[in-house]
This record gives sequence, structure tokens and C-alpha cells, in this order.
Amino acid sequence: YVLTQPPTVTVAPGKTATITCGGDDLESNSVQWYQQKAGQAPVLVISNDKDRPSGIPERISASNSGNTATLSISGVEAGDEADYYCQVWDSGSDHVVFGGGTKLTVL
Amino acid sequence: DVQLVESGGDLVQPGGSLRLSCAASGFILSAYEMHWVRQAPGKGLEWIGHINLGGDIVHYAHSVEGRFSISRDNAKNSLFLQLNSLRAEDTGLYYCAREIASTYYVPFDIWGPGTVVVVSS
Repeated sequence: YVLTQPPTVTVAPGKTATITCGGDDLESNSVQWYQQKAGQAPVLVISNDKDRPSGIPERISASNSGNTATLSISGVEAGDEADYYCQVWDSGSDHVVFGGGTKLTVL
Repeated sequence: DVQLVESGGDLVQPGGSLRLSCAASGFILSAYEMHWVRQAPGKGLEWIGHINLGGDIVHYAHSVEGRFSISRDNAKNSLFLQLNSLRAEDTGLYYCAREIASTYYVPFDIWGPGTVVVVSS
């Protein structure tokens, strides 16, 4: 199973960043999203398509429909610059699959 | 404080072996399924494998199957990754990660800081 993400997304401060994750019939899977800042371990920001763990701000949201899951970050700040990865559990292979990652740059 | 700390990373020659450890603190390891994930320099996250609660069911990525082995010692609150027949492409930062309990969609809520493995002659 393959998850496809755009390598880079660039957004101006205060705007909304949208990062996509594509996969065959992706809506049949539950998607997680991780934020990884430079030199740090990944942090779970979205689980089960749209659930925010405790401590994750409401301006981070997500959805999953058809073949595409989407992570949205509103009111983008310089501190949101990071790599973002989508992830699913592929029950057919009993494997975890990560997308290739998207580098979010704040202008 | 709930945390994971990996250790055991080193410089090793191609064909060599290494054993990584992951020490859990602040929670009972036996209550959680665990995973190893790696990241090659400048690259994305790659799932390596998973071990169930009791340690009797393990799954591996195709890239490491037959060469890597995951085990756990719940009494010592520790997770292990045995790396054999190492190749240059195994170079990277190795993370252990905790799977949130009682979910079918396998989210990882706790990650260690990682330990570095370099395979080079």
C-alpha cells in the first residue's frame, strides 16, 4: 500500500496550510498525521482521521474522503515549520505505512 | 513522566550485527504493543516492525525481514531490536514507538529520541 504526499508546501504566516495524503480507497483506512520538527522525534497531531490528541491546538484539523486525506493548519505560525507524515495500518499486509512526508515552509 | 529511550546505536561494518534497546519508563510496557521505525539521513519515516503484547507475534517490513528481529522483556520494561547482516542502506536514526492501546488503526503516541546506526567500512 502506498501513501503519496507532496514533497513541499509553502504558506504565508496567518494563512491556512493544506497537506494532502493520497492512497487507494484511503477513506477505508484510519489516517494518522505526525509533525516532525528539525532534530526532534515525530509527534502525533491527528489520529483516526480527525481526532486531536490532548495538547494539539484546534487550528490543526484533518479529514479523509475518497482517495485523499487532508491535514489543515489554520493561522500558520513560524513554529509550524516541520515535516508532516501521514500513516495508516494496512490490514491486508499487517504493515504500517508512512507517506513520504511533506516539508511545510512558512514564508 | 512517560518516556522511551533507545540505546545501542553504533558504527558497524557491512555484514555486522547490532542490538538496540528501548527502555520504557512511566508506564507498564506489557500493556502496549510496540514498534520500531527508522529514518535514513535526510529521508522520511520507515516502519521496521511491530511486536504484540506477549511478544509471540511479530511483523516486519519486507526490507528487513529475515535480518532483523524484535523482542521484548516485559519484566524489565524493555524492547529490543536485533540487527543482523547490516547493509549501508540500514544507516539511520532508529526510533521505538508506543502504539495507543485498544485501537485498530495503530497510532503512535510516544516516541523515543532515537539512536543512530551507521553502517560503513
